[in-house]
Amino acid sequence: DGGITQSPKYLFRKEGQNVTLSCEQNLNHDAMYWYRQDPGQGLRLIYYSQIVNDFQKGDIAEGYSVSREKKESFPLTVTSAQKNPTAFYLCASSRRSQETQYFGPGTRLLVL
Amino acid sequence: AQTVTQSQPEMSVQEAETVTLSCTYDTSESNYYLFWYKQPPSRQMILVIRQEAYKQQNATENRFSVNFQKAAKSFSLKISDSQLGDTAMYFCAFMEYNFNKFYFGSGTKLNVKP
Repeated sequence: DGGITQSPKYLFRKEGQNVTLSCEQNLNHDAMYWYRQDPGQGLRLIYYSQIVNDFQKGDIAEGYSVSREKKESFPLTVTSAQKNPTAFYLCASSRRSQETQYFGPGTRLLVL
Repeated sequence: AQTVTQSQPEMSVQEAETVTLSCTYDTSESNYYLFWYKQPPSRQMILVIRQEAYKQQNATENRFSVNFQKAAKSFSLKISDSQLGDTAMYFCAFMEYNFNKFYFGSGTKLNVKP
């Protein structure tokens, strides 16, 4: 089946620890995105990538890092510099920029 | 910066009735896209409908339709014959034509009652 997968569904982070969220798509989409969703708020863009080996910061990139070594994969690392990481993280992809974005099922990150 | 405002944090509707969700946005751009996404309790974001700003005709998708008023910068979503499965958070989103950043509203929680 074609689609976007995110893993894990739930992730726990200890203080000072880096954690990586996985996002994979088999839709052959060029562009991929990471969003953060906090309770009662809409989505905010963390990072996006329009092509392999290229990515740009979104509105809230501080404390996060990404890589885009393969077209189908766009992992997000939440570093220890992110002081308030507890949130729901959504990955999305689109065939090209300026096209509709389709979302994965999300990962909920909790801090222990 | 673009802003998207959803002024109704929560709404309720009886099954089979019609409900309209409001969205306004602020932009100086003339070309852009507008979207409505649905987020059910599973939290999966699902595209409901999309509107290109250069099209005067309002988009429709089965029971879902929009009222796009470009001059007023308004983009409301009408759900006809509401079903229990329509219960979800609904997000309005704006995307610039030449730039693939999305701007999301804060959402409207819709409860469809039997």
